[in-house]
Amino acid sequence: DTEVTQTPKHLVMGMTNKKSLKCEQHMGHRAMYWYKQKAKKPPELMFVYSYEKLSINESVPSRFSPECPNSSLLNLHLHALQPEDSALYLCASSQTGRTEAFFGQGTRLTVV
Amino acid sequence: SQQGEEDPQALSIQEGENATMNCSYKTSINNLQWYRQNSGRGLVHLILIRSNEREKHSGRLRVTLDTSKKSSSLLITASRAADTASYFCATDDSSASKIIFGSGTRLSIRP
Repeated sequence: DTEVTQTPKHLVMGMTNKKSLKCEQHMGHRAMYWYKQKAKKPPELMFVYSYEKLSINESVPSRFSPECPNSSLLNLHLHALQPEDSALYLCASSQTGRTEAFFGQGTRLTVV
Repeated sequence: SQQGEEDPQALSIQEGENATMNCSYKTSINNLQWYRQNSGRGLVHLILIRSNEREKHSGRLRVTLDTSKKSSSLLITASRAADTASYFCATDDSSASKIIFGSGTRLSIRP
């Protein structure tokens, strides 16, 4: 199984809502990532988890809160988002930070 | 943060022609990777080249790496309509375990 599964595929949320994005992989990868991608731009790294511990936070606002409950799951909790946070959110995993990454299909988030 | 720049930003070629994309990066690396993205969905890994390699082939793909110039190129030979996508180079940060993407090239293949 070489898939990274992200749910939901689409999400519309109000600025006062709390929602969560989910990501799952069963490849035994120990590095997991969240990226944010705006239209016609490259993916921007948000967070890196290594062996279930947060190893990198790229100065992401606290309204984004990552969580890694176990080695297969990665969540991104969203609260009090702004319309400019609307984007494609991509999850990825890799054996280590220096090998190929496998990406999920992303969650298209719209904040209204 | 963005590690590198890609050139050109957009490329339109006839089906059957070869497509070449270039990537420049800023810091020392352990490896460089190329990914493809269709229609703003997930990225697909194409090829990885290590810093001690100069050239690598995979099917219709040929990647070169020049660490002295901090640059790489991706050549797609005999292009097909299905190659229409955005292509990104990505480098690891040798001081940290993260993968950083270049600005990307949007490739269109005309029938």
